[in-house]
Amino acid sequence: GDSVTQMEGPVTLSEEAFLTINCTYTATGYPSLFWYVQYPGEGLQLLLKATKADDKGSNKGFEATYRKETTSFHLEKGSVQVSDSAVYFCALHHNTDKLIFGTGTRLQVFP
Amino acid sequence: EAGVAQSPRYKIIEKRQSVAFWCNPISGHATLYWYQQILGQGPKLLIQFQNNGVVDDSQLPKDRFSAERLKGVDSTLKIQPAKLEDSAVYLCASSLRTRGDEQFFGPGTRLTVL
Repeated sequence: GDSVTQMEGPVTLSEEAFLTINCTYTATGYPSLFWYVQYPGEGLQLLLKATKADDKGSNKGFEATYRKETTSFHLEKGSVQVSDSAVYFCALHHNTDKLIFGTGTRLQVFP
Repeated sequence: EAGVAQSPRYKIIEKRQSVAFWCNPISGHATLYWYQQILGQGPKLLIQFQNNGVVDDSQLPKDRFSAERLKGVDSTLKIQPAKLEDSAVYLCASSLRTRGDEQFFGPGTRLTVL
């Protein structure tokens, strides 16, 4: 069945460092891909999404490109801030509205 | 615009007890979801409602879990009797309709079963 694999955390960075969180998926056809973020004590929030191959989703300085050839949707940000510290989830849905999530990656940014 | 509301935020019970969670979706959202998030894992869909009808409950352990959405608005999720492995965060989400509409999540209810 469909699945999402993302890198284990925690990812620990200094402020202004470059961020990459890897995400790969397994699905037939063309799923829609998402990154959700969960700040401490808050619910999941949609960060960005892409619905077809080669689409780039972007928001708040984060971006991810839907790569069909490598079945990947890696999250990147050029310069992280302390306020970006959170848990990031990669997810997909395919033919239904059921979101299938990865296990999450905790990001810790230090000043 | 008010977000998805859930209560309680935290609940501690002993195994074999029963527990209920409540969710109030964003006004006008037809679709409501309950997810279970076990520590260290991503959320897993338990049940999806479209208005007051069930669309998908394939991963709901129906021997102990039940859910309803009366009048197509609020929803309750019940566990009876609880097991240790039910310890998790229970997330409620809603979306305007289906088919690609963004899902908005509530803050969750953290359940600890002792």
